[in-house]
Amino acid sequence: KQEVTQIPAALSVPEGENLVLNCSFTDSAIYNLQWFRQDPGKGLTSLLLIQSSQREQTSGRLNASLDKSSGRSTLYIAASQPGDSATYLCAVSAEMRYALNFGKGTSLLVTP
Amino acid sequence: NAGVMQNPRHLVRRRGQEARLRCSPMKGHSHVYWYRQLPEEGLKFMVYLQKENIIDESGMPKERFSAEFPKEGPSILRIQQVVRGDSAAYFCASSPLLPGQGAGGYTFGSGTRLTVV
Repeated sequence: KQEVTQIPAALSVPEGENLVLNCSFTDSAIYNLQWFRQDPGKGLTSLLLIQSSQREQTSGRLNASLDKSSGRSTLYIAASQPGDSATYLCAVSAEMRYALNFGKGTSLLVTP
Repeated sequence: NAGVMQNPRHLVRRRGQEARLRCSPMKGHSHVYWYRQLPEEGLKFMVYLQKENIIDESGMPKERFSAEFPKEGPSILRIQQVVRGDSAAYFCASSPLLPGQGAGGYTFGSGTRLTVV
């Protein structure tokens, strides 16, 4: 059974800092990995999707890497801003490609 | 394109009542998925539907829960005889193809927050 773990559970940083969020998964036979952002009381916004054959994806200040063999992914956020404050969720799809296995998320607070 | 629309946003039901949650997928999306987020837990897959077909309901409780995606209209997640443990956020997502094919993964709705009192 796929288990997805995100560390840390919560993180508070001052504005402008670069930061890294970690995601690990127990079964390396994944189809793809996706990072989402969840704002309080809102839905999920897809940030980056990495196919199992890829090593990283970039979008603006965000960069996500994938190391399938070690079962790890990182989300790097450059020059953090208060507007980045949200919960970041990592999700992998594996045997059932349509079913995502989510971690519990990292709650990020960026202070001005 | 209004995105994935879920209603109601908030729903309060007394124990024993029925809850009906609606999801309209993005235009052109024929795949719909329901997820549940219990307090302090990650999102859990419940069911995957295509028009008029349930493809996989392995994540849905066997009793009291049902889902449909009719030829016309939104997808419906129905919970009969609700109990306090059903209190959660229920999210719907849609995709034009299987996730990972083509342009990307899911598009999620804003969720329905069900409170059972």
